Amino acid sequence: SQQGEEDPQALSIQEGENATMNCSYKTSINNLQWYRQNSGRGLVHLILIRSNEREKHSGRLRVTLDTSKKSSSLLITASRAADTASYFCATDEGTPLVFGKGTRLSVIA
Amino acid sequence: NAGVTQTPKFRVLKTGQSMTLLCAQDMNHEYMYWYRQDPGMGLRLIHYSVGEGTTAKGEVPDGYNVSRLKKQNFLLGLESAAPSQTSVYFCASSYSGETEAFFGQGTRLTVV
Repeated sequence: SQQGEEDPQALSIQEGENATMNCSYKTSINNLQWYRQNSGRGLVHLILIRSNEREKHSGRLRVTLDTSKKSSSLLITASRAADTASYFCATDEGTPLVFGKGTRLSVIA
Repeated sequence: NAGVTQTPKFRVLKTGQSMTLLCAQDMNHEYMYWYRQDPGMGLRLIHYSVGEGTTAKGEVPDGYNVSRLKKQNFLLGLESAAPSQTSVYFCASSYSGETEAFFGQGTRLTVV
């Protein structure tokens, strides 16, 4: 079964607002990754956070990891229409690079 | 530098036919993966490989076989295609299980 689970399944916001997506997992991990998928295309890596890290930034992206709660969040600040995509978390629980079902983000201009 | 290349991009098969999807990477990556993506299901791992000559089952391996005879290539085979295998297939590669993965552009397979 898929191990990372994103929440919410879908999110619709206005351009300029912040978007927050969450990912939960079941067992211990070494790292957690976030990916983006534009419609019909392959996934693109956004950021990787290791189990000994609590927060990581990359441009307008901020990722947090709480290993005690087995959860991670992805924050996109000042969203743009071009951020419209599906976002997936991936963990290395047992099997490497197992993905959740994703969050569909729509940014309305 | 082409990255990860999948062949073919589109294919229509009749039930019971066989075919092989090819994934090639030019980044000298050890790990390679095959996924299928269906609406509302996200990506599900079919098989993966952690090095030349190795393969392992993922979440949904039934009906598929794989081979990794050369480090740069990972082949996914369907021996007897079924309509349930209609999906978009993605290949990916990474240096290790703890580094970012690079994805191909996908293969849209329809089984009629």
